[in-house]
Amino acid sequence: DQQVKQNSPSLSVQEGRISILNCDYTNSMFDYFLWYKKYPAEGPTFLISISSIKDKNEDGRFTVFLNKSAKHLSLHIVPSQPGDSAVYFCAVIYNNNDMRFGAGTRLTVKP
Amino acid sequence: DVKVTQSSRYLVKRTGEKVFLECVQDMDHENMFWYRQDPGLGLRLIYFSYDVKMKEKGDIPEGYSVSREKKERFSLILESASTNQTSMYLCASSFVSAGGLAKNIQYFGAGTRLSVL
Repeated sequence: DQQVKQNSPSLSVQEGRISILNCDYTNSMFDYFLWYKKYPAEGPTFLISISSIKDKNEDGRFTVFLNKSAKHLSLHIVPSQPGDSAVYFCAVIYNNNDMRFGAGTRLTVKP
Repeated sequence: DVKVTQSSRYLVKRTGEKVFLECVQDMDHENMFWYRQDPGLGLRLIYFSYDVKMKEKGDIPEGYSVSREKKERFSLILESASTNQTSMYLCASSFVSAGGLAKNIQYFGAGTRLSVL
């Protein structure tokens, strides 16, 4: 039973445009949400997070939006750069320690 | 910088072999985790540990065991490797945090790509 779903396995955008990556979750009790980025042959690295008490968190070009009523999370990258090309995983934390990941979305930013 | 080191980047083993994957972290983190990453399935939790000698099953523990004799080291053991255990294995560690925006962020190693023939 997938608790975290990323329904788009891939996304391609032009350099300079906005990238929007989406994530849906099933349990309204999840209280902390994260995005990780993964380059080939490397482990995932933490990108940005948001607590359930907020609906937006911004860090430079990266903004995460949380819609609790829709159980939906999105990551916006503006402007997109070729170096942003990677696999992006959304993740949720519950029970204070357990993290569950989505299947990932492969972002390709074309020059 | 947090450093999580996995002992091997690539491993090739034969069916039925006993396989050890080692992970060491240098940040005195209480929590350590083992995941496997497969295309279309993302990262799936195999086992995790909250403390030395403590272990908890994740979502897919079958065919695996773990050992945590020291705080900095967490080992994943495949008792009898099978071809369906061919995968990328990722180790991670984190603090136990009381809260805040840095709560429980996990730091990952570079991964071990295991092929079982």
